[in-house]
Amino acid sequence: GAVVSQHPSWVICKSGTSVKIECRSLDFQATTMFWYRQFPKQSLMLMATSNEGSKATYEQGVEKDKFLINHASLTLSTLTVTSAHPEDSSFYICSASDRVANEKLFFGSGTQLSVL
Amino acid sequence: GQNIDQPTEMTATEGAIVQINCTYQTSGFNGLFWYQQHAGEAPTFLSYNVLDGLEEKGRFSSFLSRSKGYSYLLLKELQMKDSASYLCAVNNKAAGNKLTFGGGTRVLVKP
Repeated sequence: GAVVSQHPSWVICKSGTSVKIECRSLDFQATTMFWYRQFPKQSLMLMATSNEGSKATYEQGVEKDKFLINHASLTLSTLTVTSAHPEDSSFYICSASDRVANEKLFFGSGTQLSVL
Repeated sequence: GQNIDQPTEMTATEGAIVQINCTYQTSGFNGLFWYQQHAGEAPTFLSYNVLDGLEEKGRFSSFLSRSKGYSYLLLKELQMKDSASYLCAVNNKAAGNKLTFGGGTRVLVKP
């Protein structure tokens, strides 16, 4: 199946710093990528939809200036958590759909962010 | 909007069968997914149903009834490694193929 690579797997940072998470589709072109956040023992909550070459669409309640998304190519989307705070500590997961069978999503391995 | 409901937790015995139900309400339905997620890991794809009926894949089967807004995931011959959360997710094509997840069902398999 298709592979989505997500880096880093985990990151620890100080409060106030910014963290960038990368999501790459390795063997297919992803017109759309989705970013999810998951708190412990909760399900995945969609944060934003990232479209190649255009601005991301954010879900209600998600601050676009805090969670910067860039989808510059058909194989790469990045999520930058700016001025991170302890409450931003969470598991962030990206997923991508390919241009051919865009019903099926493929997930990255996730990034565990801990803000001290 | 969308509403997806599934039980929070289920416990079953090794070797037994467990059925996880999922009910949903959505517009623009374009398929229902089941994912397995172990603690601290990303979800892994189990099944996809877009038409009514049963899809069987080894020990796992998934059923869909679009008219009832209902699906279930059936796990047979349970193994200890099947202890995980199982996520029901609905694809809304009208919203650009957004996948909305249910709260997940934590399945605990006991010896």
